Amino acid sequence: DTAVSQTPKYLVTQMGNDKSIKCEQNLGHDTMYWYKQDSKKFLKIMFSYNNKELIINETVPNRFSPKSPDKAHLNLHINSLELGDSAVYFCASSQRTSGNLYNEQFFGPGTRLTVL
Amino acid sequence: DAKTTQPNSMESNEEEPVHLPCNHSTISGTDYIHWYRQLPSQGPEYVIHGLTSNVNNRMASLAIAEDRKSSTLILHRATLRDAAVYYCILKSGGSNYKLTFGKGTLLTVNP
Repeated sequence: DTAVSQTPKYLVTQMGNDKSIKCEQNLGHDTMYWYKQDSKKFLKIMFSYNNKELIINETVPNRFSPKSPDKAHLNLHINSLELGDSAVYFCASSQRTSGNLYNEQFFGPGTRLTVL
Repeated sequence: DAKTTQPNSMESNEEEPVHLPCNHSTISGTDYIHWYRQLPSQGPEYVIHGLTSNVNNRMASLAIAEDRKSSTLILHRATLRDAAVYYCILKSGGSNYKLTFGKGTLLTVNP
């Protein structure tokens, strides 16, 4: 059973299109994340949701809109795709413990987005 | 977030121990030291974490210097499957919800 799954695994699209990436976790965690890994392999956090509430938005352009229909899902919708959006996008989840402490994060396999 | 410094790359032979160093001279008292690794074409995976004392789990050991300004991830017997980028990350106890990845150390394991 896959703990954190993402679909699709590969996404090739034209500039200007709108696309979505889906993420689901079956770990019962209450916090989910989106990370972006660029061509230089730097991993940066984009968003985080705790119990469907946005808690991190790391100065990501408005074209990116995360949506969390429930605690097990965090989808990423991207409008008007640009060449610079080409990257690997990773979803992750973790469980909040007490206060602001969170257990380790579990990552999905990634979605490779290529914008032509 | 406090900064960490790791060597860009290291090489090891299969079946031998590997010591991956990490410097974090500006670590604060509430920062936990976390290690993640990313195997080729996969998402990062948690390896180990600690605060002050040395830690062991089934994957690795974490040795933390007494002044906490450095730590070492120890793989006791490297296998080819351990070839990955290893990230040393500091997470504040007060804002523990995100991981700030650096460049990490690319570990090559030779057969």
